[in-house]
Amino acid sequence: EAGVAQSPRYKIIEKRQSVAFWCNPISGHATLYWYQQILGQGPKLLIQFQNNGVVDDSQLPKDRFSAERLKGVDSTLKIQPAKLEDSAVYLCASSPWTSGSADTQYFGPGTRLTVL
Amino acid sequence: SQQGEEDPQALSIQEGENATMNCSYKTSINNLQWYRQNSGRGLVHLILIRSNEREKHSGRLRVTLDTSKKSSSLLITASRAADTASYFCATDANDYKLSFGAGTTVTVRA
Repeated sequence: EAGVAQSPRYKIIEKRQSVAFWCNPISGHATLYWYQQILGQGPKLLIQFQNNGVVDDSQLPKDRFSAERLKGVDSTLKIQPAKLEDSAVYLCASSPWTSGSADTQYFGPGTRLTVL
Repeated sequence: SQQGEEDPQALSIQEGENATMNCSYKTSINNLQWYRQNSGRGLVHLILIRSNEREKHSGRLRVTLDTSKKSSSLLITASRAADTASYFCATDANDYKLSFGAGTTVTVRA
């Protein structure tokens, strides 16, 4: 079974530029998550999709971050414009939907973003 | 804000020794999960323990959960160099999402 795919693996941009990350979850997984992990911290949930609908985006800075999962499969996370504090690893994860609890999540390798 | 807090922040042990790390959380939970992250890589799920369970084992891993104290521990027995990683606890506070702690960094010395 193929794992969660993410691209690119690394990205360096200057502040005020825009950047996009792509994620392809494990086949059949209904739930997709984007996390931001700042160096030395644990992952922080940015947005959670159930199929192509948003379940939770309460911690997504909506003035600059956007995400979509148009056909309920792969997803794109965009930052526009980027700030220095956006430097982090962006992790995508997926899980099968099981009602009543948060399932085991399967993580991709992440995209390391550096904003100069 | 992060629900879980791991303790200690960092741990250095000799190969073959046991490693124990703890996680405390604030609100009632549905389940608690432990993940491992090797340097520069994604997280890997280790074990899930539900709120009605007190102990679970998986290979060299042993997890306990004390809901009255709102705490969990992860024990790695007979550690190996490959166990060098950061370990995170994550809690499901009955809201269908996980909240991760800041992690414990474990270094296993040869």
